[in-house]
Amino acid sequence: RKEVEQDPGPFNVPEGATVAFNCTYSNSASQSFFWYRQDCRKEPKLLMSVYSSGNEDGRFTAQLNRASQYISLLIRDSKLSDSATYLCVVGLSSGSARQLTFGSGTQLTVLP
Amino acid sequence: EPEVTQTPSHQVTQMGQEVILRCVPISNHLYFYWYRQILGQKVEFLVSFYNNEISEKSEIFDDQFSVERPDGSNFTLKIRSTKLEDSAMYFCASSERSGPWEQFFGPGTRLTVL
Repeated sequence: RKEVEQDPGPFNVPEGATVAFNCTYSNSASQSFFWYRQDCRKEPKLLMSVYSSGNEDGRFTAQLNRASQYISLLIRDSKLSDSATYLCVVGLSSGSARQLTFGSGTQLTVLP
Repeated sequence: EPEVTQTPSHQVTQMGQEVILRCVPISNHLYFYWYRQILGQKVEFLVSFYNNEISEKSEIFDDQFSVERPDGSNFTLKIRSTKLEDSAMYFCASSERSGPWEQFFGPGTRLTVL
């Protein structure tokens, strides 16, 4: 079983659509959760951290369900600039280490 | 806004040669990392570094790899004898000592081994 699993997509949606990304992780000891976005041939950029209480940042809403080891990202009113690959990322701490495990990413294309 | 920088942006080398990839983490960060991403694949953890020593390393980070913080600002990744399969994008990242361990990535070095 993959450590962090995402639907690979691609998701092609029209501007203004709402799109949801799902992710599951296998290590129940995971302690921190993030969504990053990655544009083609660029570095991953932190989109938002994900908390058990859920969190929202403008058009973006992230949810975490520790019991089912499930993370989600909702993008409302999608813009052309949202086109990117969205990476589900899980953090595990071992002593002083802070290892991130990445999913393979879900590719999103927002169409005009 | 402070950012992680990396040099060079692209490195081409012959198989068996040594390469050194350089990174300047964000100045007040204390945790440093190297990741790699083979074209078309996911980002993979290589190594974490704190307090001038390796905290954790993955199976990928074998004896051919080493890291160093030679001064107060630079953080380097050395590959002693490159293989074809080392061709990838190498990302440096850094994070603050405390907080939810958000890591910030540099723009990467694209390594091509011929």
